[in-house]
Amino acid sequence: SAVISQKPSRDICQRGTSLTIQCQVDSQVTMMFWYRQQPGQSLTLIATANQGSEATYESGFVIDKFPISRPNLTFSTLTVSNLSPEDSSIYLCSVEYTEAFFGQGTRLTVV
Amino acid sequence: AQKITQTQPGMFVQEKEAVTLDCTYDTSDQSYGLFWYKQPSSGEMIFLIYQGSYDEQNATEGRYSLNFQKARKSANLVISASQLGDSAMYFCAMRGETSGSRLTFGEGTQLTVNP
Repeated sequence: SAVISQKPSRDICQRGTSLTIQCQVDSQVTMMFWYRQQPGQSLTLIATANQGSEATYESGFVIDKFPISRPNLTFSTLTVSNLSPEDSSIYLCSVEYTEAFFGQGTRLTVV
Repeated sequence: AQKITQTQPGMFVQEKEAVTLDCTYDTSDQSYGLFWYKQPSSGEMIFLIYQGSYDEQNATEGRYSLNFQKARKSANLVISASQLGDSAMYFCAMRGETSGSRLTFGEGTQLTVNP
């Protein structure tokens, strides 16, 4: 299994600002994943982050809005930029072995 | 493309009884994995159980078991001896060989355990 520490656990942000979410894993992993869960909905993959290369974004998500860093094999950040109320969601990072494990999630509210 | 269907938006069960949460999937992959997660109101996603498509026996983890019927493409979660703390949203997910490592999730089932 993996221990994933995600920070912050929740935040309230003003529209137009940005929030950076951190994800730290207790072991080296090749790929890390970022998901969004809008209120009352299921999880949607935002992007896959590989160390040493640009993140791969899913349809509907763009780097300008969701820049991702992956400086090493145990750490990644997701920034949600130019916040609007529609960005209010839970954001989760994930790593996968045979099983897939998630961080605690970041509950973002944009006001 | 892969698809997960959870047809039960909400389920209710009495404490100490067993409950089955339904999950059907659709994929053309020969090799794939099926997952169940629990999401309490805090928002974290708690891994419960995993079943590989080539696993001959149904997966079990404590009070959780996965009823895997490959021909019917179903992967139902069975929770035995329900507890009040089991009240949460439950998600079924899959990962296939053609989807890389990304997971595809169902819409979830909200389980409420009544005392």
